[in-house]
Amino acid sequence: QQQVKQSPQSLIVQKGGISIINCAYENTAFDYFPWYQQFPGKGPALLIAIRPDVSEKKEGRFTISFNKSAKQFSLHIMDSQPGDSATYFCAASGGSEKLVFGKGTKLTVNP
Amino acid sequence: NAGVTQTPKFQVLKTGQSMTLQCAQDMNHEYMSWYRQDPGMGLRLIHYSVGAGITDQGEVPNGYNVSRSTTEDFPLRLLSAAPSQTSVYFCASRDRNEQFFGPGTRLTVL
Repeated sequence: QQQVKQSPQSLIVQKGGISIINCAYENTAFDYFPWYQQFPGKGPALLIAIRPDVSEKKEGRFTISFNKSAKQFSLHIMDSQPGDSATYFCAASGGSEKLVFGKGTKLTVNP
Repeated sequence: NAGVTQTPKFQVLKTGQSMTLQCAQDMNHEYMSWYRQDPGMGLRLIHYSVGAGITDQGEVPNGYNVSRSTTEDFPLRLLSAAPSQTSVYFCASRDRNEQFFGPGTRLTVL
């Protein structure tokens, strides 16, 4: 049972464009929704996270949008740069429970 | 503060061999976990621990053993390696919110 569904599997964007990655979850007990960024040969690193008491969180060019009623959240990367090319994972957890990850999105930003 | 460290970085095994992947963290986190990453499969949880002496199974535990004798260390043991265990393995430790990953071990089983 996949508790967090992530799409698309891969994404190609031109430099300066907007990258959008979507995730949907099933467990209404989830209360923490992080996004991780992974460069080739490296471990994933926390990029940005949100809790369901807010609908949006922005850090620089990265924004999480959260829709509690639809049980969906998304990552928006504004003004995408070639250096943003990486694999992005959404995840979710509730309380002290383990993080559940989406299957990842490989983002390529063309110069 | 080294964060989460893993050794070795690369390993090649023959089918049936055993080995231990080492993981250590210096952040005094109670929660540690092991994932494997395969193309198109994302990060799948193998085993996790909520503190010294306490471990539990994740999504794909078969073929792997863990123990947690100290807060710092969380080794992953492959008792009899199989080609299906060829993967990249990540150890992670977690405080209340953020989970920190190690740099990974790339394992090939021939």
